[in-house]
Amino acid sequence: EAGVTQFPSHSVIEKGQTVTLRCDPISGHDNLYWYRRVMGKEIKFLLHFVKESKQDESGMPNNRFLAERTGGTYSTLKVQPAELEDSGVYFCASSQEWTGRYEQYFGPGTRLTVT
Amino acid sequence: QKEVEQNSGPLSVPEGAIASLNCTYSDRVSQSFFWYRQYSGKSPELIMSIYSNGDKEDGRFTAQLNKASQYVSLLIRDSQPSDSATYLCAVRYTGGFKTIFGAGTRLFVKA
Repeated sequence: EAGVTQFPSHSVIEKGQTVTLRCDPISGHDNLYWYRRVMGKEIKFLLHFVKESKQDESGMPNNRFLAERTGGTYSTLKVQPAELEDSGVYFCASSQEWTGRYEQYFGPGTRLTVT
Repeated sequence: QKEVEQNSGPLSVPEGAIASLNCTYSDRVSQSFFWYRQYSGKSPELIMSIYSNGDKEDGRFTAQLNKASQYVSLLIRDSQPSDSATYLCAVRYTGGFKTIFGAGTRLFVKA
């Protein structure tokens, strides 16, 4: 069974540019999460999808961040325009929670550097 | 503000010893608890989940949960140098979808 995949693995962009990160969850996992880890800090929740619906986006920093999950499969996270403080590692995780279990499995992450 | 607290370490143990990692959380009404291992430059890897009070064992790992004390721990028996990593405690709170991560404890196992 394939794990969570993320693309790209690294992205270096200039301030003001746009970047789109992609996450493909484990097949059959309805729940998809985005997290971010900035240097020296703990992993922070950004938002949560169940299928194509946003269940909780309280962790999104501001309106420069837009997440979508059309069709309930893969998800994208767009940052537009990027700022220096957006640099960090963006993780995606998926889970299958209808069973009553909430284990999340992480993708390899996308390291975003804004210069 | 829901919080998850971990000692940042580093915790250093000799090979073959028991490593004990601890985590406290702020919200009494918490549902699910997880331990992740993260090697430098890699993503978190789930190693244990625990949902009810008591101990849960899986191979060399034992998770312990005490909801009354708001405390969860991870014991690693017969520690190996390959166990050297950062261990993250994560708590999912009842009534929400958010999982809160601690900052992690760095573990070094000396050969």
